[in-house]
Amino acid sequence: AQSVTQLDSQVPVFEEAPVELRCNYSSSVSVYLFWYVQYPNQGLQLLLKYLSGSTLVESINGFEAEFNKSQTSFHLRKPSVHISDTAEYFCAVSEDSGYALNFGKGTSLLVTP
Amino acid sequence: DAGVIQSPRHEVTEMGQEVTLRCKPISGHNSLFWYRQTMMRGLELLIYFNNNVPIDDSGMPEDRFSAKMPNASFSTLKIQPSEPRDSAVYFCASSLSLAAFNEQFFGPGTRLTVL
Repeated sequence: AQSVTQLDSQVPVFEEAPVELRCNYSSSVSVYLFWYVQYPNQGLQLLLKYLSGSTLVESINGFEAEFNKSQTSFHLRKPSVHISDTAEYFCAVSEDSGYALNFGKGTSLLVTP
Repeated sequence: DAGVIQSPRHEVTEMGQEVTLRCKPISGHNSLFWYRQTMMRGLELLIYFNNNVPIDDSGMPEDRFSAKMPNASFSTLKIQPSEPRDSAVYFCASSLSLAAFNEQFFGPGTRLTVL
């Protein structure tokens, strides 16, 4: 069975600093990988996803994530964060033979001036 | 499109009462998911439907929980009787199909408080 581990529950960072949110998964089959973002009092929104092809995927607001098969990781990065990036970030995995998304417990990113 | 619509946004009830949460998926989406989010357990998948048919309800915590999807544009999650430990945010999500690569679109959630 697959599982998703987000190693940091909270990540405080200053505005304009770089950030990395870590995600590791365990699965014995091919997977699809997702990062979702949840702003306060809202539902989750897809930030980016890896399905196949290039292992580096990017979002429209400057985030990127790299699929590393050997390390079973899908870490999320941004070179310079904004106050508006403050949110909860969820890593999720689905197996190409399955249906459901398996979410990590989330990482709370807090960006301060 | 209005996105996934959930109602009510907030519900406060007393222990023992029946609670019904409602969801309208995005038009044209064939799959619907119900999740529960708590601080302790994070985001849990409760049940999902495809073409209005329940596919997997193994995440439903107890028999007090039930879900229906009478048509393609409406689903309900019912808790009867409710208990304080059911307090959580309940999300509904929809996707084009059950294919694992499909994005799930989430509603704004219903925050349930059981006193």
